[in-house]
Amino acid sequence: ETVLTQSPGTLSLSPGERATLSCRASQSVSSRFLAWYQQKPGQAPRLLIYGTSNRATGIPDRFSGSGSGTDFTLTITRLEPEDFAVYYCQQYGGSLRMFTFGQGTKLEIK
Amino acid sequence: QVQLVQSGAEVKKPGASVKVSCRTSGYMFSKYYIHWVRQAPGQGPEWMGMINPGGGGTDYPQNFHGRVTITRDTSTSTVYMELSSLRSDDTAVYYCARELPQTCFFDFWGQGSLVTVSS
Repeated sequence: ETVLTQSPGTLSLSPGERATLSCRASQSVSSRFLAWYQQKPGQAPRLLIYGTSNRATGIPDRFSGSGSGTDFTLTITRLEPEDFAVYYCQQYGGSLRMFTFGQGTKLEIK
Repeated sequence: QVQLVQSGAEVKKPGASVKVSCRTSGYMFSKYYIHWVRQAPGQGPEWMGMINPGGGGTDYPQNFHGRVTITRDTSTSTVYMELSSLRSDDTAVYYCARELPQTCFFDFWGQGSLVTVSS
């Protein structure tokens, strides 16, 4: 099983600042199969980024994804109040051919 | 518009089974896989398995040890997830989610169904 480790666990920033969230995999992940989701309290996860760097429909361009191999990054430039939420990375693959998620990064208002 | 509407909250005793439904609409049912993902309180999501509504084929991760069964009813475009031999650590919100085949990400999600396991 491919384990995804996200850091930091909590990130405290102010609106207008830049956020950089990390997702590290225990083994190499195909760039095609790395995605990011945003989750707000009481809601289902919402797809932000797929295939490492492709924004999902309706996602603003202040969200971007990058990375390869075992290290992936979600960047949010110019934080808006609605961006404060929990973010999860997700991959498919590994020897067991299964989907796994990271434990999440909570982005909170400083 | 695409909708995945799940059944309501359930309370079950340890050892019992629970069956959660996911009624889909707004797209061609047979063209997208449906997955089940659960999320325990304060935890990251956990993948439970998937079904190809077109042919009925399923895939499950090993860690559920045969406790999960996913089925579908093509006449109502509904997918079901049954979890057996419930334990207290199965308490979680259960989500269905849609995948365009071979893309390996989930573009639409149901609203979630809370399952509480308590004696």
